[in-house]
Amino acid sequence: QKEVEQNSGPLSVPEGAIASLNCTYSDRGSQSFFWYRQYSGKSPELIMFIYSNGDKEDGRFTAQLNKASQYVSLLIRDSQPSDSATYLCAVPSSGTYKYIFGTGTRLKVLA
Amino acid sequence: GAVVSQHPSRVICKSGTSVKIECRSLDFQATTMFWYRQFPKQSLMLMATSNEGSKATYEQGVEKDKFLINHASLTLSTLTVTSAHPEDSSFYICSALTAKGTDTQYFGPGTRLTVL
Repeated sequence: QKEVEQNSGPLSVPEGAIASLNCTYSDRGSQSFFWYRQYSGKSPELIMFIYSNGDKEDGRFTAQLNKASQYVSLLIRDSQPSDSATYLCAVPSSGTYKYIFGTGTRLKVLA
Repeated sequence: GAVVSQHPSRVICKSGTSVKIECRSLDFQATTMFWYRQFPKQSLMLMATSNEGSKATYEQGVEKDKFLINHASLTLSTLTVTSAHPEDSSFYICSALTAKGTDTQYFGPGTRLTVL
């Protein structure tokens, strides 16, 4: 069974620090990878996606992909209390557009 | 960016009644939409895939006669919870693909259903 795994946390970081969120996936055929942020009581919001090995930067966010290790991560620089949320890693199941979600990592940024 | 709306945002109903939730893509045409359900402190659970002009594909364990999905146009999908019971109380979220061949899902704001 195809799986996406994340540490549920909570991951606590001080304000201004770098938060590192990790995700592993089991399907070697996966081609695209998504990070969503979900605040409590709200729906997921797309942060970024990555298709190629290496790093992809967007503002304070950097996604890192290593297909050989089946590992994707999200770095948040200069973390702010407003970044406190659950971060979901999503990987489309091969051959479909259906996402397999990780359980999410709860991030707490301490002021 | 791609915007998806849902209506209503909150609904409270009595047990045994039916509730319809609308999901609209506001600035794009969505041939495929997805319906999820999320219980407190749990991850999203995919209920069904909705394709415009065809029958929805339901995930294993989801009762298609209880959760009726209609995707009658390229911008609207509806989920009707029939004969709702308290155990159907949940957060229902839709998402949409912006175009054929893309796999990026944009989520609506969700509908919180409470069945008394």
